[in-house]
This record gives sequence, C-alpha cells and structure tokens, in this order.
Amino acid sequence: NAGVTQTPKFQVLKTGQSMTLQCAQDMNHNSMYWYRQDPGMGLRLIYYSASEGTTDKGEVPNGYNVSRLNKREFSLRLESAAPSQTSVYFCASSEWGHSNQPQHFGDGTRLSIL
Amino acid sequence: EDQVTQSPEALRLQEGESSSLNCSYTVSGLRGLFWYRQDPGKGPEFLFTLYSAGEEKEKERLKATLTKKESFLHITAPKPEDSATYLCAVQAPWSGGSNYKLTFGKGTLLTVNP
Repeated sequence: NAGVTQTPKFQVLKTGQSMTLQCAQDMNHNSMYWYRQDPGMGLRLIYYSASEGTTDKGEVPNGYNVSRLNKREFSLRLESAAPSQTSVYFCASSEWGHSNQPQHFGDGTRLSIL
Repeated sequence: EDQVTQSPEALRLQEGESSSLNCSYTVSGLRGLFWYRQDPGKGPEFLFTLYSAGEEKEKERLKATLTKKESFLHITAPKPEDSATYLCAVQAPWSGGSNYKLTFGKGTLLTVNP
C-alpha cells in the first residue's frame, strides 16, 4: 500500500540544468498537487491538477511546468533551475479537489541547486 | 488573503506532561481545517479534519477542537514518539468556481523528552 510515491528522493543540480520530478499515486484519486516547503514557511502550492487532463497554477508557479500524464501520475519540471528553487518538493493527492477530503502526501524530493 | 498562524513555534515537554498547540486562522468560507503530523525527512501525515465550530476529533493521545477563529491540538500524557512537527491547514474557496485551496501554517515543532 504505497500511497504517493515520489522519485528521486534527493537531487543536486547546477544552475541552468533541467529536471523532472516524478509522482505517482495508487489511491485512485482524481486530484493531484505539487508543493514546495522552505524553512520558516508553510507549504506553498506550485501547481495542481483537479482531474486527469487539467492543470492549473498555484501560488508560486514561476519557473515550473507540470504534466498530468494519466490519472496516477503527475510530474513537475524545472526547465532552467535557479538557486531560489532549492527546496523540498512534495506531491499530494486527494479524492477530489472540490471536496473537503484530506490530501495525502509523498515523502518528498530534496532538491539543491548550486 | 487567507492566513494561518501556529503557536508556539517550538514546544518541549516532559513525557506525561500534557499541553496544547494552537492554530489561529483568518479565512473566508472555511470548508475544513486539517491537522497533519510531519516527521523529519517525511511528508505530512494526515491526522484530523474538522468541519465546523464545536467539533472535536480524537486519536490516541491527540484531541483536536475547532472554534470560529482557532483550533487546538491537545496532547494528553505525551510520549517521546509523539515528537514531530504538527501542521495546521485551512481549506477555503480560491479563484472562484469549484476550486479549493489549502493554506498551511508554519508548524509547531514538538519535542517530548523521556
């Protein structure tokens, strides 16, 4: 019973490099989310996908793109990494974004941009 | 703008010493308030959802309560394994339509010493 799986767990990039963070859920959830968590700040929403085939910007989308590959998978892409994108990235899923069911999180990808 | 403030930022307790964590919020159209537990190096783990003022939820040594302006997480006779960061989040309408957004607080780091 894996829940939400994120890969990789750790990554170091150089400024300007590109990378895709992967996320998959096995709970048959419709909605998926990408957050970043920085020291001294709450989790902030980057992008979300309310359902398969749709994506929308969150609070801090600049510098990121997303793809909802299918119902299970939602990827986050950094096209040209910047040091300000050093953070811990969390993927989450919920049954429906417009319901008040809780979001369930993966264990994160720790990303350092040098 | 939705705001969530958690206090204290950090709390040290002796094993068996009961206490409470606070989550105060300012939001238009609260749909739900969520409590999560986050262990180091892990993603947030869902604990409770509270939907309306006066509601209470319990799980082992934890009890969450909700008023119109704040929520409390009461910890009774804590054990060292209760040590973690506790996150509070509020769900409310965002950008109109049927989309809802979670706004997270910065968390309370709880340490329970044996």
